Amino acid sequence: GAGVSQSPSNKVTEKGKDVELRCDPISGHTALYWYRQSLGQGLEFLIYFQGNSAPDKSGLPSDRFSAERTGGSVSTLTIQRTQQEDSAVYLCASSLIRAGNTIYFGEGSWLTVV
Amino acid sequence: QQQVKQSPQSLIVQKGGISIINCAYENTAFDYFPWYQQFPGKGPALLIAIRPDVSEKKEGRFTISFNKSAKQFSLHIMDSQPGDSATYFCAATTGNQFYFGTGTSLTVIP
Repeated sequence: GAGVSQSPSNKVTEKGKDVELRCDPISGHTALYWYRQSLGQGLEFLIYFQGNSAPDKSGLPSDRFSAERTGGSVSTLTIQRTQQEDSAVYLCASSLIRAGNTIYFGEGSWLTVV
Repeated sequence: QQQVKQSPQSLIVQKGGISIINCAYENTAFDYFPWYQQFPGKGPALLIAIRPDVSEKKEGRFTISFNKSAKQFSLHIMDSQPGDSATYFCAATTGNQFYFGTGTSLTVIP
């Protein structure tokens, strides 16, 4: 597609349930990032995928969070046993890896845990 | 540790005025400095970017000033308009590493 596509755009879930958020990056982009943005806050790095390399998981806040990227393209972020503090916008971004590159964000998945 | 420090946190400017947002960094390995603009309910979008071998880059009403020796860069929005009201993030990158500032909420008053 022309841009980074994320689904669902909005998700309301009950505390304790698992959720999956999907990201379809720009075609040809080898790098994929997940960020979290709480209401009115900055961008919190979660995880980074680059090609077939091991992902950089250093930003994942707890072991309830995991992500995978299948076939070097689509990525799924999974949050297990959701908590109210997980409520946020989850942003996916992709980029080419080269000097002077930039990353392109999707519109985000708005997660509300009730 | 915050790799990129951004200020102010919020900014209110009259229509027609100049909006200035500042960022500072420490890592001299950074080789690209983009600015992102985010409207409510949307993802951040690239606004303008600069490489460290250039001291200034201008695109329309938006200008980045870059001071390599001071490790600082800033975004200037000339003739600010209500439509510029958004959150602005600076970033510093090297290869696959992106570091964002904490964001500045800009409000332009008509």
